[in-house]
Amino acid sequence: DAGVIQSPRHEVTEMGQEVTLRCKPISGHDYLFWYRQTMMRGLELLIYFNNNVPIDDSGMPEDRFSAKMPNASFSTLKIQPSEPRDSAVYFCASSLKLKNTEAFFGQGTRLTVV
Amino acid sequence: GESVGLHLPTLSVQEGDNSIINCAYSNSASDYFIWYKQESGKGPQFIIDIRSNMDKRQGQRVTVLLNKTVKHLSLQIAATQPGDSAVYFCAENHRSYGGSQGNLIFGKGTKLSVKP
Repeated sequence: DAGVIQSPRHEVTEMGQEVTLRCKPISGHDYLFWYRQTMMRGLELLIYFNNNVPIDDSGMPEDRFSAKMPNASFSTLKIQPSEPRDSAVYFCASSLKLKNTEAFFGQGTRLTVV
Repeated sequence: GESVGLHLPTLSVQEGDNSIINCAYSNSASDYFIWYKQESGKGPQFIIDIRSNMDKRQGQRVTVLLNKTVKHLSLQIAATQPGDSAVYFCAENHRSYGGSQGNLIFGKGTKLSVKP
C-alpha cells in the first residue's frame, strides 16, 4: 500500500477563495482523521470518521470548515471562505481501529492563504 | 487545564550517543501514550506506544518509560543516528475516552538534532 495520500502538497490561495483538500486513506482502515498543525497550536484534531460517518467534529474551528467522506477511499476537507489565519499544514491520517492503535499520517497539505 | 507538554523544546546530541526526550502530562486519567516522529516536510510517524498498566516498553533502539507517579513520559533512543533528527511528539489518551485515537492530545514537540 502507498500509505495515506493527500493532495495537493502545497496550496496557495487568496483570502475568500474556497479551498478543498483531499485524502485517500489506507485501504481497509475504518477510521480517518483530519488534523491541523501550526507553530502556535501544534497538532490539533479537527474531525474523524468511522466507516465514512463523521463521529466527532468538535475540533472543527468554524462553520467555514466542512469535511466529507463519500466512500471508504476518499475524504475532503473544505474551507469556504478561506482566511489568512487558516494557513497551516493539514494532515489526514487513518487507522484500522480506534482504540490503542497507531494512526498512519499522510504527507500533509501546506496551505497558505494570502 | 489538561495538557501534554515537553520539558525541552530542542535537544542536540552527538552521533552515537543516547538521546532522552521528556514529556510531562497533567491528566492522571490518561491511560495510553504514543510517541511520534516527524521529519521535515513529512507527516508524523508512529514510533512506539505504551499503556498505563506498563512502566517500560522497548522497541528497536527505542525505549519508552512511563512514570505515573510524577506523570512523566520519556523516549530513549540508543546510539542516535543522523536519521533520527526530527521533531518528536508525545500524545496521550484519556481514560474517559476509552483510550481512543480520536481523542489524542499532542504535545508541542521536541526537536532533536544529531551532530556528526
